[in-house]
Amino acid sequence: SAVISQKPSRDICQRGTSLTIQCQVDSQVTMMFWYRQQPGQSLTLIATANQGSEATYESGFVIDKFPISRPNLTFSTLTVSNMSPEDSSIYLCSVGVSLVEQYFGPGTRLTVT
Amino acid sequence: GENVEQHPSTLSVQEGDSAVIKCTYSDSASNYFPWYKQELGKRPQLIIDIRSNVGEKKDQRIAVTLNKTAKHFSLHITETQPEDSAVYFCAASTAGANNLFFGTGTRLTVIP
Repeated sequence: SAVISQKPSRDICQRGTSLTIQCQVDSQVTMMFWYRQQPGQSLTLIATANQGSEATYESGFVIDKFPISRPNLTFSTLTVSNMSPEDSSIYLCSVGVSLVEQYFGPGTRLTVT
Repeated sequence: GENVEQHPSTLSVQEGDSAVIKCTYSDSASNYFPWYKQELGKRPQLIIDIRSNVGEKKDQRIAVTLNKTAKHFSLHITETQPEDSAVYFCAASTAGANNLFFGTGTRLTVIP
């Protein structure tokens, strides 16, 4: 499977600020996704990061709050904008290495104070 | 959209016993069903998956079964070991969409 890294691994941010999370893969992949996992909860898909076009967002997530970039087939960023304590969560990227299989990055633990 | 339900939310078994976790899905178009294991503080790890053209798949002590008619699938772990202790998530993928919809998770504890 692909080697996936995320930066930063964790951060503590103040309310009202923004944080950009990076996801890097060691090989070209067609599909990249961003998930949120709130403490003790399941994973919720935020959006599919499409290379060369706008991301596809799931219900309840909007581009103004979670802008996503996908400049090439190995890299994507997720920005959490105008943060509030409710945004405290683990943010994970995943990659599709076949038509359906997905593998996750190590996650970014975000705390908003 | 797809809705995946998972039971039980917690499961404790004695070492060596079997564990079964069950999931149901709502979208009959879903055709891919992976299972992930997440240890504390770690990323979810894909441990086994099944596609809708197969009824059962086995990998050593782990097996997954799928009933398309009833829209449910299950994870079976035999001869459990303490290192099997983790949170297990089922998921379903709708045909052509590739995005995964996760169940709520099952915290499995294997008691030595």
